Amino acid sequence: AQTVTQSQPEMSVQEAETVTLSCTYDTSESDYYLFWYKQPPSRQMILVIRQEAYKQQNATENRFSVNFQKAAKSFSLKISDSQLGDAAMYFCAYRSPNTGNQFYFGTGTSLTVIP
Amino acid sequence: SQTIHQWPATLVQPVGSPLSLECTVEGTSNPNLYWYRQAAGRGLQLLFYSVGIGQISSEVPQNLSASRPQDRQFILSSKKLLLSDSGFYLCAWGTNQPQHFGDGTRLSIL
Repeated sequence: AQTVTQSQPEMSVQEAETVTLSCTYDTSESDYYLFWYKQPPSRQMILVIRQEAYKQQNATENRFSVNFQKAAKSFSLKISDSQLGDAAMYFCAYRSPNTGNQFYFGTGTSLTVIP
Repeated sequence: SQTIHQWPATLVQPVGSPLSLECTVEGTSNPNLYWYRQAAGRGLQLLFYSVGIGQISSEVPQNLSASRPQDRQFILSSKKLLLSDSGFYLCAWGTNQPQHFGDGTRLSIL
């Protein structure tokens, strides 16, 4: 099984500042998908952003953007202009298109936003 | 609109008792369905996924099982619960990836 690693169990950011959450993964596949999910205190998981490995351009969704480094197998999430509502657990995830719907999550990073 | 219902929200069961968690989806047809477990301090672990009625793929060996008797119904079961089955269970559905998650079930084993 592929491994997804989030080395930062907890992060904090000042409101309106920028924060970057790290994610690395281990795979021998050349084509795959990467995701960032947000899980607020309500526990409802929300898909934040998605990246296809064959695309060189980094995905962007409003204040959320990724830095995808395929050779380094790194997929970090940048949150700009942080808001109080961004406080949540963030999960990085990997999906292989070659092995059905296997979907692997990291252990998560808890983000605190300081007013 | 699409919605996903998962129940119960919390459950306390003794060791050795059976389990049945149910998940139903509305507003879509032939979705991919997923069961995840989130243990304390750990990420989401994929337990089962299904691409259609009666089609179940298991990701980890365990004493849990899953069934999909109807297109939009996904059931997680166990004949005899273990202490290690405690955790937070999430049902999800999607097309190419888990897109929508249920509210989860907090399962405590005594």
